[in-house]
Amino acid sequence: AQKITQTQPGMFVQEKEAVTLDCTYDTSDPSYGLFWYKQPSSGEMIFLIYQGSYDQQNATEGRYSLNFQKARKSANLVISASQLGDSAMYFCAMRENRDDKIIFGKGTRLHILP
Amino acid sequence: NAGVTQTPKFQVLKTGQSMTLQCAQDMNHNSMYWYRQDPGMGLRLIYYSASEGTTDKGEVPNGYNVSRLNKREFSLRLESAAPSQTSVYFCASRQGINTGELFFGEGSRLTVL
Repeated sequence: AQKITQTQPGMFVQEKEAVTLDCTYDTSDPSYGLFWYKQPSSGEMIFLIYQGSYDQQNATEGRYSLNFQKARKSANLVISASQLGDSAMYFCAMRENRDDKIIFGKGTRLHILP
Repeated sequence: NAGVTQTPKFQVLKTGQSMTLQCAQDMNHNSMYWYRQDPGMGLRLIYYSASEGTTDKGEVPNGYNVSRLNKREFSLRLESAAPSQTSVYFCASRQGINTGELFFGEGSRLTVL
């Protein structure tokens, strides 16, 4: 069954440090995609990064990178040089290609400390 | 740029009342989704539509119905609202199979008394 797990309910990190947010998943579909979204306190959902299951390289977008370990079924988000504006809720999501169903994890609330 | 538009943004209902949340996208996307967000539960998929004319159940479909009226519009109906349906509801869309991220509406806050 399709499943996404985020085991860190909350994290506190010092400004300018790197952050790793954990995400593990489970699926029987060999073709799938993984997303990360950011939700600031204002409530909107902001797309950060995407990784396809057949992509050869880990995805990167500016300060965001996705540490994709297919055999371990993990897709951790790495934020380099964290900023105060990175304080938000972060969600991992997965899409199975066979039906376009997309489910989310419970999220991790990240607090960046000055 | 309208993107994904949800109405209403706020609604208060009494137990047993019915209502419909409307969602429209202007990006010519094939797939549309309804999620609910509750504290500590993340976003849970209610229903989705991978293409015009099709709808499928998500993780928490009980108590809801949907209609994919056309390619642009995907509505969510609560036939007999319950306090457990108090939540923030998000509509989202994406281009379709194998392509594109989800684009979200601003959310609709529903309170059932």
